Amino acid sequence: IAGITQAPTSQILAAGRRMTLRCTQDMRHNAMYWYRQDLGLGLRLIHYSNTAGTTGKGEVPDGYSVSRANTDDFPLTLASAVPSQTSVYFCASSDSREGNEQFFGPGTRLTVL
Amino acid sequence: GQNIDQPTEMTATEGAIVQINCTYQTSGFNGLFWYQQHAGEAPTFLSYNVLDGLEEKGRFSSFLSRSKGYSYLLLKELQMKDSASYLCAAADSNYQLIWGAGTKLIIKP
Repeated sequence: IAGITQAPTSQILAAGRRMTLRCTQDMRHNAMYWYRQDLGLGLRLIHYSNTAGTTGKGEVPDGYSVSRANTDDFPLTLASAVPSQTSVYFCASSDSREGNEQFFGPGTRLTVL
Repeated sequence: GQNIDQPTEMTATEGAIVQINCTYQTSGFNGLFWYQQHAGEAPTFLSYNVLDGLEEKGRFSSFLSRSKGYSYLLLKELQMKDSASYLCAAADSNYQLIWGAGTKLIIKP
C-alpha cells in the first residue's frame, strides 16, 4: 500500500441497505477525514478523527457513522442508505508534523437507488 | 459563518497566464491551501500559504493577503494538462479545511 486506499471504487446500492466504505492509510498520519463531493458544491466534511480512538462530526454527519480503532483504518458506514447520499466519497489524512496538508484517497462513487 | 468564494469557471489559452481568485471568511485562520483536481480523480496538493505574500513553485504561484481575506493562484505557460478544477480551502482555528466549490479551468489551444 502506498498512501491512502479506498474500497470499493464504485457501488450501486438499494435504498435502505447498510454500506461500509473502507479507507486505509499507511503514512501513520494522526488525522483522517471523510468528505462527500457533489456537483456544484465544494468538498463537505462528514466526519473526522484527530487521532486513533477519537472521532468528530463535520458539516454533514447525519446518516453516517465512523470509527477509528487504529491509526490506519477509518471506515464510513451508511446505516440505511437514501438516494440523497448518492455522491463521490473521498477519504483523506493529514499530520501536523507534515504541515497539515491533506492527502486524498482515489474516491468511492456511490449510487443509491 | 464560514465561507469560501471562487469563480465557477474560467477559460484561458495554451501558453498564456491565468489568475484564479479566492476570498475567504473563517473562524480563525491557519493557512490557505490550493488543490488541483482532474475530472474523475482525487484532489492533489498544490500550495500552502500562511504568511502574506507570494510563494512560487515552478509554473504555479500562490499569493495570500490575510488582512483582505484573499488569495490567488497564478498559472503561467499554460499547458493542456492544466485543464482541471482548482480548489481553494482555508484552515480554520481547529485546522479543519473549509472548501470552495472549485474553479473549472478550460484551456484552449
